[in-house]
Amino acid sequence: DTEVTQTPKHLVMGMTNKKSLKCEQHMGHRAMYWYKQKAKKPPELMFVYSYEKLSINESVPSRFSPECPNSSLLNLHLHALQPEDSALYLCASSQTSGANEQFFGPGTRLTVL
Amino acid sequence: TQLLEQSPQFLSIQEGENLTVYCNSSSVFSSLQWYRQEPGEGPVLLVTVVTGGEVKKLKRLTFQFGDARKDSSLHITAAQPGDTGLYLCAEAYGNKLVFGAGTILRVKS
Repeated sequence: DTEVTQTPKHLVMGMTNKKSLKCEQHMGHRAMYWYKQKAKKPPELMFVYSYEKLSINESVPSRFSPECPNSSLLNLHLHALQPEDSALYLCASSQTSGANEQFFGPGTRLTVL
Repeated sequence: TQLLEQSPQFLSIQEGENLTVYCNSSSVFSSLQWYRQEPGEGPVLLVTVVTGGEVKKLKRLTFQFGDARKDSSLHITAAQPGDTGLYLCAEAYGNKLVFGAGTILRVKS
C-alpha cells in the first residue's frame, strides 16, 4: 500500500465549530507532515512529526492542533478558525524526517464560513 | 532556507507543443525534486536529481540538473491535456521540503 488517505475530502465549518482532519498511511513511514495550500500556490509546511513526536511547528496559530496517535495516523484538530484559513490541507509521509521523498494525500478542501 | 525561483509562472499551450519550465537558486542544491500536482489532488513526485549535469527521462518528460547544481529544468515533449497541472520543484532542507512557487501548466486540446 503506497497511499496516503485523508478524510474528509471536503469540509465546511463555521468559525465557532470544532472539527478534525484525519490522515492515514500504512507504508511504515515514521515521519508525517501537515501542509496548507492556497489556490495556485505551493504547499506551506505547518507541522512535522517524527517517530510520533512533534519536531517542527512552523509558528502555526494555536487554533490548529496536531496529534499523532500512532505511527500510521495523523490528525489536525481545528477550533475557532477564521475565513482566511480556508485552503487545501495536505498530509504527507516519508520514511524518516530526513528522507527526500514525501508521499502526499489528496488533501481536505476546507471552507470556513 | 534558500529561495527557489520557478519560471514561467503560467503556461498555456496547445496539445502537441513542447515546453520547458525552470527552477533556479542562488545557492547550490543538495538535491532537487520535481512534483506534479493535478487539480484536486496532492503533489506526486516525478523525479529526484542529485548529480550535477544529470539528465533523467520519464516518458515524454526530460529533467536536467545544471552542472553547478544551481538550476534545473523540466522539458515536456508533445504535451497532452493530461499534463495539465501545477509543477513544483522542491529541495529537502533538514526536516523540511521547501517548494518553489510553481508553474501552472494548461494544455489545451
